[in-house]
Amino acid sequence: RKEVEQDPGPFNVPEGATVAFNCTYSNSASQSFFWYRQDCRKEPKLLMSVYSSGNEDGRFTAQLNRASQYISLLIRDSKLSDSATYLCAVNVRGGGATNKLIFGTGTLLAVQP
Amino acid sequence: DAGVTQSPTHLIKTRGQHVTLRCSPISGHKSVSWYQQVLGQGPQFIFQYYEKEERGRGNFPDRFSARQFPNYSSELNVNALLLGDSALYLCASSLEPGRGEAFFGQGTRLTVV
Repeated sequence: RKEVEQDPGPFNVPEGATVAFNCTYSNSASQSFFWYRQDCRKEPKLLMSVYSSGNEDGRFTAQLNRASQYISLLIRDSKLSDSATYLCAVNVRGGGATNKLIFGTGTLLAVQP
Repeated sequence: DAGVTQSPTHLIKTRGQHVTLRCSPISGHKSVSWYQQVLGQGPQFIFQYYEKEERGRGNFPDRFSARQFPNYSSELNVNALLLGDSALYLCASSLEPGRGEAFFGQGTRLTVV
């Protein structure tokens, strides 16, 4: 089982739609959680950190459920410019003093006009 | 403020050759991590450095090595290149391991022929 799992999609949605992505993680020692956005052939860019209380940034809402070990990202009123791959990432403390990000494979979102 | 900078942006090497990739973190960030991303996958953790010391290593062969300099910049070295080393190599900068968000450079796209 992968440490972080995402539905690879693609999610094809019309402009204005609401779309939700889920991500599950297996390591209960995971400490912090993030969503990154990655455009084709570009680097991942931090979209949001994810907090236990949930957090919102404009049209984007992130939630964390530690009991069920999943995080989610909700995008409201989708724009064409939201088309990208969305990566969830989990920060895990490993052996020694390692802190590393474990990424899912990413979910591809295509917003259609 | 400059973000994370990586060089070169693109590189073509022949099997068996050696490559050095460079990264300068965001000013004030002392931790640098390296990731490998192959097409269709999320980034995979290679190394983490903090205060010039290796803090963690991912599941990569000994052909991969890295170091961090007093100014917190870092190099990733790969010896005896294989075709399978072709990937996007990403450098991530953070304040400290596990503290705060990680920000990525634009990456070095390595092609091994």
